[in-house]
Amino acid sequence: ETGVTQSPTHLIKTRGQQVTLRCSSQSGHNTVSWYQQALGQGPQFIFQYYREEENGRGNFPPRFSGLQFPNYSSELNVNALELDDSALYLCASSLIAGSNEQYFGPGTRLTVT
Amino acid sequence: QKEVEQNSGPLSVPEGAIASLNCTYSDRGSQSFFWYRQYSGKSPELIMFIYSNGDKEDGRFTAQLNKASQYVSLLIRDSQPSDSATYLCAVNFGFQKLVFGTGTRLLVSP
Repeated sequence: ETGVTQSPTHLIKTRGQQVTLRCSSQSGHNTVSWYQQALGQGPQFIFQYYREEENGRGNFPPRFSGLQFPNYSSELNVNALELDDSALYLCASSLIAGSNEQYFGPGTRLTVT
Repeated sequence: QKEVEQNSGPLSVPEGAIASLNCTYSDRGSQSFFWYRQYSGKSPELIMFIYSNGDKEDGRFTAQLNKASQYVSLLIRDSQPSDSATYLCAVNFGFQKLVFGTGTRLLVSP
């Protein structure tokens, strides 16, 4: 157990809808990163938040957005869902001043129909 | 383009043998390297990490870095059936952004 929690565990949405995924970071960790993992692939970096600001972004369109709150928890929002957004969404927390280790939560399985 | 490449496998080894997993990376300036284990249907679990200053051993696991050839390896000694999983190699190319390979599936047979 890493201490990183995510909700919900599973989610089914329809194409065109919007979704919000949530993550609580490990105690003492001030940085949250979000990844998308499609079936049979490695996780792909979406973005990272540090002290409530975006601190780097991967190759994802603007309809993927996020927030980090003062308690370091975070949200990932995806608008105008597409079928290809079906994936496991992973949140990882880390201590930016530390050794770059990132610890993943259990993930949210999103299915878009 | 920062890339990490792994052989998808499966790599099959008998119980008790040494499993050797490798990955190559594209950026010579990379400083930190991570191995994650992922069981089917679960999230990745960090099992080893090393920096550009040397190899590391932790129990049955050894991570080795070859900077000249730009590859990282993970050795698992005395492999157990419970080690059967997908092993993901990840490289930090800066600002804690991890780039992952597609993973190598390891099968340890009793």
